[in-house]
Amino acid sequence: QKEVEQDPGPLSVPEGAIVSLNCTYSNSAFQYFMWYRQYSRKGPELLMYTYSSGNKEDGRFTAQVDKSSKYISLFIRDSQPSDSATYLCAMTQETSGSRLTFGEGTQLTVNP
Amino acid sequence: NAGVMQNPRHLVRRRGQEARLRCSPMKGHSHVYWYRQLPEEGLKFMVYLQKENIIDESGMPKERFSAEFPKEGPSILRIQQVVRGDSAAYFCASSRLSGQGVGYTFGSGTRLTVV
Repeated sequence: QKEVEQDPGPLSVPEGAIVSLNCTYSNSAFQYFMWYRQYSRKGPELLMYTYSSGNKEDGRFTAQVDKSSKYISLFIRDSQPSDSATYLCAMTQETSGSRLTFGEGTQLTVNP
Repeated sequence: NAGVMQNPRHLVRRRGQEARLRCSPMKGHSHVYWYRQLPEEGLKFMVYLQKENIIDESGMPKERFSAEFPKEGPSILRIQQVVRGDSAAYFCASSRLSGQGVGYTFGSGTRLTVV
């Protein structure tokens, strides 16, 4: 069983739609949860991170963590064509000095 | 303030040759991590280094792969006697010595093609 499970998609939505991306994990030691965005042939860039359970909002993006269910989500409101990318969830036990464990990534296309 | 610099961006090697991938961390970052991304897969951890020390190499294949982060100069990921299955994107990330929030920053990667 993989430590982190993520539906690879692909996911295709019309512009303006609300997008929901999810990951589940099995390791209860994970404390920090991140979402990275990766454009084609580029490196991952950090979008959001949360510590432990709860919600965090940044503009059109909201990250949720439910540690009791070992489930994390990223919501994108008013999706734009420029949001088309692969979204990777990642988690770790510490803020640095510890490896990140990634999901497989979900490929998102927002159609104009 | 330059980000994480990786070179070369693209590398083509014939089977049996050696591949050397270089990574210069962000200024002020003393932790370096290497990840591999195979086609249609997520990033897989390979190795975590600090200056002159390998901290965690649990993700490295047992043979042909090695990594170093010398006192001076970039971190190097070395793959000896490459095979077609080594074709992938190799990403380097760096972070600060002590965590102040989440400090992992990735480079743009080196895409290795073995022919």
